[in-house]
Amino acid sequence: GAVVSQHPSRVICKSGTSVKIECRSLDFQATTMFWYRQFPKQSLMLMATSNEGSKATYEQGVEKDKFLINHASLTLSTLTVTSAHPEDSSFYICSARVRGGDGSGANVLTFGAGSRLTVL
Amino acid sequence: GIQVEQSPPDLILQEGANSTLRCNFSDSVNNLQWFHQNPWGQLINLFYIPSGTKQNGRLSATTVATERYSLLYISSSQTTDSGVYFCAVSQGGKLIFGQGTELSVKP
Repeated sequence: GAVVSQHPSRVICKSGTSVKIECRSLDFQATTMFWYRQFPKQSLMLMATSNEGSKATYEQGVEKDKFLINHASLTLSTLTVTSAHPEDSSFYICSARVRGGDGSGANVLTFGAGSRLTVL
Repeated sequence: GIQVEQSPPDLILQEGANSTLRCNFSDSVNNLQWFHQNPWGQLINLFYIPSGTKQNGRLSATTVATERYSLLYISSSQTTDSGVYFCAVSQGGKLIFGQGTELSVKP
């Protein structure tokens, strides 16, 4: 089946540095990808919708200058956390819509394995 | 925006027991998915079920769209079923998640 690959799975960085997380669709093209953030023991919160060839759409309260999203090709979206601070430490998960992802022909969201960011 | 409520928030079962997880949503939706998040954080698609009933092995799900709820049934639970179960609904192209049910199956 369709796979969404996310890298790195785990990253530790110093406060003030920037971190890039990659999300790739394997064997399928994704014109739209979604970035979520999950704090411990909490649900997934949608951060932004990444659109191939155009600007990302950010959810209310998400700083677009801090969380830079680039969707330069039909198989790759990147999230860059700029000038990271300890409060940015979280689990970041990307997803893509896959037609027939459950065998029914419907569009279902398939998720990457996530990236755990720790900012010291 | 749409509200998604899951119950119960936590559930402890003995291996072999059955359980029912519930998801209520506050508005009409055109997509509903159930996911299992394993201890490593990976989200696994369980069901795409905007309406009707589906079964996959020991798991089944039913969505009654007119009454705005969905149920996930787990039968003969196993320790590997432990983790967090999320339902998520789509509105305006975005998938909105409930708070999840954390399931712990004891041997």
